[in-house]
Amino acid sequence: ETGVTQSPTHLIKTRGQQVTLRCSSQSGHNTVSWYQQALGQGPQFIFQYYREEENGRGNFPPRFSGLQFPNYSSELNVNALELDDSALYLCASSYQGPNEQYFGPGTRLTVT
Amino acid sequence: SQKIEQNSEALNIQEGKTATLTCNYTNYSPAYLQWYRQDPGRGPVFLLLIRENEKEKRKERLKVTFDTTLKQSLFHITASQPADSATYLCALDIGQAGTALIFGKGTTLSVSS
Repeated sequence: ETGVTQSPTHLIKTRGQQVTLRCSSQSGHNTVSWYQQALGQGPQFIFQYYREEENGRGNFPPRFSGLQFPNYSSELNVNALELDDSALYLCASSYQGPNEQYFGPGTRLTVT
Repeated sequence: SQKIEQNSEALNIQEGKTATLTCNYTNYSPAYLQWYRQDPGRGPVFLLLIRENEKEKRKERLKVTFDTTLKQSLFHITASQPADSATYLCALDIGQAGTALIFGKGTTLSVSS
């Protein structure tokens, strides 16, 4: 059974640029959630995808968008990067419903 | 406003003692509550899930309670070991059947030998 993987591990971008982060779900899982974790804080829910449709969204602006593919892998896209977007971005896969989520190792994004 | 508070940012205990971590919330009515462990530089790892109609859940040395009247969950690690040192996160499931996990800031537990 393959765990959740994310790429890249680290990324440095300039303010105003756009970034795409990728996530491969654990085998068999049909739901993926994305979180932003600032230093010293808990993860903040960005959104969740189920069967390629957004299935819930946290308090993040529209410049945060996502995709889920038929194989349940996923992308998080962030446009017009701001300095405050610097954080660890985590994706988590699960079965749909109130189940435990399996997190990837995260992508550390630094915006300068 | 809606809040999740974990009792302290840091908890230091001696090996063999029981660690008790607290999660309090306001203005939420979660049907489920989860606890995760996070080590530095890594993603959270699921530990336990408890439903609103369950008072207590156990898994090996771990025990969690969920009091919807007090709006509080307690997380216990008995016979603690240095390997238990990590940040522990409480998460409320406030979406429609698992669509949103809202996390607390976490409590960093240090177990000394």
